[in-house]
Amino acid sequence: DGGITQSPKYLFRKEGQNVTLSCEQNLNHDAMYWYRQDPGQGLRLIYYSQIVNDFQKGDIAEGYSVSREKKESFPLTVTSAQKNPTAFYLCASSIRTAGVSFHQPQHFGDGTRLSIL
Amino acid sequence: DAKTTQPNSMESNEEEPVHLPCNHSTISGTDYIHWYRQLPSQGPEYVIHGLTSNVNNRMASLAIAEDRKSSTLILHRATLRDAAVYYCILRDKNEKLTFGTGTRLTIIP
Repeated sequence: DGGITQSPKYLFRKEGQNVTLSCEQNLNHDAMYWYRQDPGQGLRLIYYSQIVNDFQKGDIAEGYSVSREKKESFPLTVTSAQKNPTAFYLCASSIRTAGVSFHQPQHFGDGTRLSIL
Repeated sequence: DAKTTQPNSMESNEEEPVHLPCNHSTISGTDYIHWYRQLPSQGPEYVIHGLTSNVNNRMASLAIAEDRKSSTLILHRATLRDAAVYYCILRDKNEKLTFGTGTRLTIIP
């Protein structure tokens, strides 16, 4: 079955450490997204990518980095510069038609819960 | 982004229809109306979306007011698995999904 796989499901970070969250999709989608969700809150966009080797900052990109070397993969690194990284991280993807994806539904993975040791 | 307003919570009996309202009085002509739902500790799940006309799919129906300032998500026959937080979202030429706090739907057996 096609879908989005996020790993690990739970992740712990030590002070001063960078950690990388994996997101893989086999839906052949061009666009991929990373969101952060805090308890009782909606999702906030961290980064998104419309095409391989290209990505744009979202609303809360500081302290995060991404890469898009392959269509199916969009890893997110939470750097030591992110002072409050404890959250639920969600990866999503969508198709693009006529070069845009804003009117297409987004398909989400099951998330990675990151905590600080 | 244009804002949406939803009730914080609703309850419905199992096997009965559920009508989840959403107000979006500042909607623009190019905004699509999207609905997602989220179960605890899971990613959101796409439910349905539309622009002007009512829409149906295997999960639900979306009824859009003629002036587009409100819409209603209709679950025709609620089951316990439909208990979730439902988000009504407007999307224009913007890549992000702007989630509010949604409506927490409780299904009573």
